[in-house]
Amino acid sequence: EAAVTQSPRNKVTVTGGNVTLSCRQTNSHNYMYWYRQDTGHGLRLIHYSYGAGNLQIGDVPDGYKATRTTQEDFFLLLELASPSQTSLYFCASSDEGGGAETLYFGSGTRLTVL
Amino acid sequence: GDSVTQTEGPVTVSESESLIINCTYSATSIAYPNLFWYVRYPGEGLQLLLKVITAGQKGSSRGFEATYNKETTSFHLQKASVQESDSAVYYCALGEGRGTGSKLSFGKGAKLTVSP
Repeated sequence: EAAVTQSPRNKVTVTGGNVTLSCRQTNSHNYMYWYRQDTGHGLRLIHYSYGAGNLQIGDVPDGYKATRTTQEDFFLLLELASPSQTSLYFCASSDEGGGAETLYFGSGTRLTVL
Repeated sequence: GDSVTQTEGPVTVSESESLIINCTYSATSIAYPNLFWYVRYPGEGLQLLLKVITAGQKGSSRGFEATYNKETTSFHLQKASVQESDSAVYYCALGEGRGTGSKLSFGKGAKLTVSP
């Protein structure tokens, strides 16, 4: 079973703050994803990557940067956090592109921007 | 773009009763997308419950079933007799294909509470 670990589990910051969310997967999957989950919305894709150094823009990328430093590690960066980015963030990984493959999710990071 | 419309929570069912969570989809770039149900138990990440990638087929897992109906563009999730342990949030999702750029579109999720 693939393991995806996110940190921190909870984070509180202020408007304009700098936040980094971390994700590590231990199954050497090629693809990694960052989603946000808000009440009244399905999971929405922020960024994804299909290998170290690669970055693809998702459906709601504004205000977010991401970096895939290794096969295992994928980071989401909020350089000027805003209250609209208060959300539950999920990281996921898959062996191939997620159109048919199973995604393996972390437990989520709850971010609050005051 | 692609979209998924599903029953939105909360859904409350008594233990041993039957359950149906509706899901309909719209796919713009592929005639027969891949269809999934994911589940998120309290305090955990989403995990795959079942998937069907061939129209007309049925998927099943842990007593849940869903049939890929291309005529009605539906993929409803059903269970004949729910248990308290089924309390979770259920997400219907659609995937366009394989490889680079393939990704999923999720419904809003339905929070199921099973009462004893």
